[in-house]
Amino acid sequence: GESVGLHLPTLSVQEGDNSIINCAYSNSASDYFIWYKQESGKGPQFIIDIRSNMDKRQGQRVTVLLNKTVKHLSLQIAATQPGDSAVYFCAENSGGYQKVTFGTGTKLQVIP
Amino acid sequence: DTGVSQDPRHKITKRGQNVTFRCDPISEHNRLYWYRQTLGQGPEFLTYFQNEAQLEKSRLLSDRFSAERPKGSFSTLEIQRTEQGDSAMYLCASSLGTTQETQYFGPGTRLLVL
Repeated sequence: GESVGLHLPTLSVQEGDNSIINCAYSNSASDYFIWYKQESGKGPQFIIDIRSNMDKRQGQRVTVLLNKTVKHLSLQIAATQPGDSAVYFCAENSGGYQKVTFGTGTKLQVIP
Repeated sequence: DTGVSQDPRHKITKRGQNVTFRCDPISEHNRLYWYRQTLGQGPEFLTYFQNEAQLEKSRLLSDRFSAERPKGSFSTLEIQRTEQGDSAMYLCASSLGTTQETQYFGPGTRLLVL
């Protein structure tokens, strides 16, 4: 079935450096993608989203890139901070009843 | 705090007991979702409400699971005759009710079945 997955399960980054978290999706009909951040013991927190008619969207310190040709999504975090340490999920919202399909997550570890 | 709230935050129960969790969505959000998350995995969809109507249920939702949203506001998720495999984080999310919209998650209820 359709799935959303991540290339790297764990990413260690030096504080102040930029982080890039990658995600591959398999449903070519997907038209809406979301990045969530989840800290230990908490629910997923919305970071940024992007619709399929865009290839880039910027937020505060975060940028999401979408490459529909290769079905790839990435999250870039500028000047990574210790508070960015968490598990990051990309998710696909395929319309209809708005079920969100999550991948397995990438753990970001920020080294002070 | 006007976000999604869930109660209780933690629940320990013995196998065979029934448990009930509550979710209060963001006010004016028409859609409410339940997800289950096990350690190291992403959340998995369980069920979804549009106002008080339950419109979709995942195959993960066995007959022992039932969810309600009687007045289109808060929702409850009940698990009957709990099994050890039910141990997980149960997450609730809500959204406004438009297409391609963000779901906002609550803090979750962590269930441990002994």
